[in-house]
Amino acid sequence: EAGVTQSPTHLIKTRGQQVTLRCSPISGHTSVYWYQQALGLGLQFLLWYDEGEERNRGNFPPRFSGRQFPNYSSELNVNALELEDSALYLCASSMYGQWGNQPQHFGDGTRLSIL
Amino acid sequence: AQSVSQHNHHVILSEAASLELGCNYSYGGTVNLFWYVQYPGQHLQLLLKYFSGDPLVKGIKGFEAEFIKSKFSFNLRKPSVQWSDTAEYFCAVNTRGGGADGLTFGKGTHLIIQP
Repeated sequence: EAGVTQSPTHLIKTRGQQVTLRCSPISGHTSVYWYQQALGLGLQFLLWYDEGEERNRGNFPPRFSGRQFPNYSSELNVNALELEDSALYLCASSMYGQWGNQPQHFGDGTRLSIL
Repeated sequence: AQSVSQHNHHVILSEAASLELGCNYSYGGTVNLFWYVQYPGQHLQLLLKYFSGDPLVKGIKGFEAEFIKSKFSFNLRKPSVQWSDTAEYFCAVNTRGGGADGLTFGKGTHLIIQP
């Protein structure tokens, strides 16, 4: 079974630019989650998509957005990049669970560096 | 909003020693609890999970965790560690009911096992 795949693995951008990160979930999983792992801040929940809809978002500004496609893959978009956006962005997928009890499976992440 | 606290940021043990990593969460409602592990150069993997029922849960590689509701704790244990257990360990929680949300992670514990 193929795991969660993310692309690209590394990105270097400058302040003010925009970036798109991509994620393909495990086959059969309909939920996709995005997390940010910044130095010193730990893993923080960004966004959750299921069946093409945004179901929940963490405490991040609106310049962090995304979407989920009919094949359940997902994109994370970050506009007006700031230095503090430098981080590892992790994608996870799971089957939908009404009670939140479906374990999330993580990809290897995209390392974003802002110069 | 919930939060997760992992008491030990760095732990160094010798092989065959017993392990207990502390995890406390703050949330007044019903939660799902998880421990994830990240081995060097690998992605996050699920060690074990608790949703309901027996508060003592067993996971992969000989790990177990006990949910103590009155203490809001979900400590991870292993009777005898091996060098291959060297990794970063993360405790995580999400809330139950009304649909799932993203995981709230602790800051992680870096475990080093000396041969």
